[in-house]
Amino acid sequence: AQSVTQPDIHITVSEGASLELRCNYSYGATPYLFWYVQSPGQGLQLLLKYFSGDTLVQGIKGFEAEFKRSQSSFNLRKPSVHWSDAAEYFCAASQGNLIFGKGTKLSVKP
Amino acid sequence: GAGVSQSPRYKVAKRGQDVALRCDPISGHVSLFWYQQALGQGPEFLTYFQNEAQLDKSGLPSDRFFAERPEGSVSTLKIQRTQQEDSAVYLCASSPHEMGPEAFFGQGTRLTVV
Repeated sequence: AQSVTQPDIHITVSEGASLELRCNYSYGATPYLFWYVQSPGQGLQLLLKYFSGDTLVQGIKGFEAEFKRSQSSFNLRKPSVHWSDAAEYFCAASQGNLIFGKGTKLSVKP
Repeated sequence: GAGVSQSPRYKVAKRGQDVALRCDPISGHVSLFWYQQALGQGPEFLTYFQNEAQLDKSGLPSDRFFAERPEGSVSTLKIQRTQQEDSAVYLCASSPHEMGPEAFFGQGTRLTVV
């Protein structure tokens, strides 16, 4: 069955530190891949997407993600985290319907 | 408006009550999706419309859940005889493409069944 796995439920990083959120997918063929962010009480905001081509994709708010076919991964990164990045992050994949991971909650220490 | 609009933003229902949740997609968007997000979980797919046709309703958890999009724009998700396990945020998304893949989400309706 198609699935998306985010192994880390909760991550805490210090402000200014680098960040990597992990995402693995299980599909027969490479799906479209997405990262969304959700702040408390808010809807889902698209950070970035991968359809094809360059495996390193740039998104909004200084985020980037790297697609690695050999590892079936699409990890999200940011070189320097800001306090305002604290939120829930969802990886998603699509070959039609979007299938989401369970999310990673990011906390930022001052 | 420019984005996907959902109403109401919050709904409290007594167990057994029927509720109707509305979604106004982005104008001209072909595809419309409904998702259910339980507390602390990722969104789970409920149903998909392409224009007015409901092409996939495999995610609807029971026959108490019903969705429609009669004119291919506004959609309504109806839940009959609500139960406590129906408490969740219901998200609507629309896309200019058939079956997505890129979808734009509304802010959701938080349903609490008491």
